[in-house]
Amino acid sequence: SQQGEEDPQALSIQEGENATMNCSYKTSINNLQWYRQNSGRGLVHLILIRSNEREKHSGRLRVTLDTSKKSSSLLITASRAADTASYFCATDALSSGTYKYIFGTGTRLKVLA
Amino acid sequence: EAQVTQNPRYLITVTGKKLTVTCSQNMNHEYMSWYRQDPGLGLRQIYYSMNVEVTDKGDVPEGYKVSRKEKRNFPLILESPSPNQTSLYFCASSLGGGNEQYFGPGTRLTVT
Repeated sequence: SQQGEEDPQALSIQEGENATMNCSYKTSINNLQWYRQNSGRGLVHLILIRSNEREKHSGRLRVTLDTSKKSSSLLITASRAADTASYFCATDALSSGTYKYIFGTGTRLKVLA
Repeated sequence: EAQVTQNPRYLITVTGKKLTVTCSQNMNHEYMSWYRQDPGLGLRQIYYSMNVEVTDKGDVPEGYKVSRKEKRNFPLILESPSPNQTSLYFCASSLGGGNEQYFGPGTRLTVT
């Protein structure tokens, strides 16, 4: 399996605090994306960072990518109770003209009001 | 409304009884994909399709079939379901490979 890995597996913080979760992967990538999933529902795309980018921001989200270490981090600033969800990284690799995706195992974030 | 729809949302079936889970998108997306989600394993890609009539295996294709006869539809077929295929299944689509994916609501399948 070429599953990505995320840590921590679970994270519990107080509202207003920052949440950081990390993703490691094993192969060369084209892009890395982060998704959020609320309790067994469909995933929602958060942010995409390309392999030639090092950092990207979107609202309260900040993503970094270190291709030399094959790792990425997602920072959620000023967390809210509504941020409670599971977060997944997904890498895609272009091979023979097709794209395959590999998802991480996810981080379960709980934000306490 | 732009969306990916899956049917059925819940299905309980018995070993060996062929079933099809439908997936449809209304965004004119080229890329479509099927995933299964199991506790502790995240999402694993089953099959994907770069465009009509072009499909390819993901990481866990055994026991599954797909077809892409038209752009909007990408059904997942289990010819002879087994209990180890009990899982939560998601269909997703994107403009092309490497773009953000839009996910359907999921199909919870139980095979007894």
